[in-house]
Amino acid sequence: KQEVTQIPAALSVPEGENLVLNCSFTDSAIYNLQWFRQDPGKGLTSLLLIQSSQREQTSGRLNASLDKSSGRSTLYIAASQPGDSATYLCAVGDNYGQNFVFGPGTRLSVLP
Amino acid sequence: GAVVSQHPSRVICKSGTSVKIECRSLDFQATTMFWYRQFPKQSLMLMATSNEGSKATYEQGVEKDKFLINHASLTLSTLTVTSAHPEDSSFYICSARGLAGRTGYEQYFGPGTRLTVT
Repeated sequence: KQEVTQIPAALSVPEGENLVLNCSFTDSAIYNLQWFRQDPGKGLTSLLLIQSSQREQTSGRLNASLDKSSGRSTLYIAASQPGDSATYLCAVGDNYGQNFVFGPGTRLSVLP
Repeated sequence: GAVVSQHPSRVICKSGTSVKIECRSLDFQATTMFWYRQFPKQSLMLMATSNEGSKATYEQGVEKDKFLINHASLTLSTLTVTSAHPEDSSFYICSARGLAGRTGYEQYFGPGTRLTVT
């Protein structure tokens, strides 16, 4: 059974710092991996989707990497801003994305 | 990009009543829709998977008679919480997965429905 963990559980940084969020999964036979952002009391905003054949995806200040063999993905946020404060979730999909397992999330606070 | 909507966004109901939540894919056909539940400060937990025109597949521990799921068309799935109790209060999120050619099997998530049972 796929298990997804995220480290750290919470992170507080001053504005402007570059930071890395980590996601680990136990079963490397994945179809894709997706990073989401969730603001308090809100739904999910998809940030980046990485297919199993890809090693990284970039969108603006965000870069997500995938190392399937080691069961790891990282989300790199450059030049963090207070507006980046949210919970970041990674989710791993297998079986053509049929089964989607979420990690517990990393709660990020960027201080002005 | 593909858009998924949910209605209502927030609902308060009395204990013992039933509540229906709708999930719609607005600009693509969703062969599969998923329903998740999120308790405060916890991650999303998959409740059930529904394929258009067939019965939903429920995750272990989810009561299928309590959480009725209908996926009658390629753009609409509904979740009905029957005889709701305060412990059913949660944030319910649906997602829709399109056809391979349209969205590459990516899941698109709705904005969620906050259910409060009093």
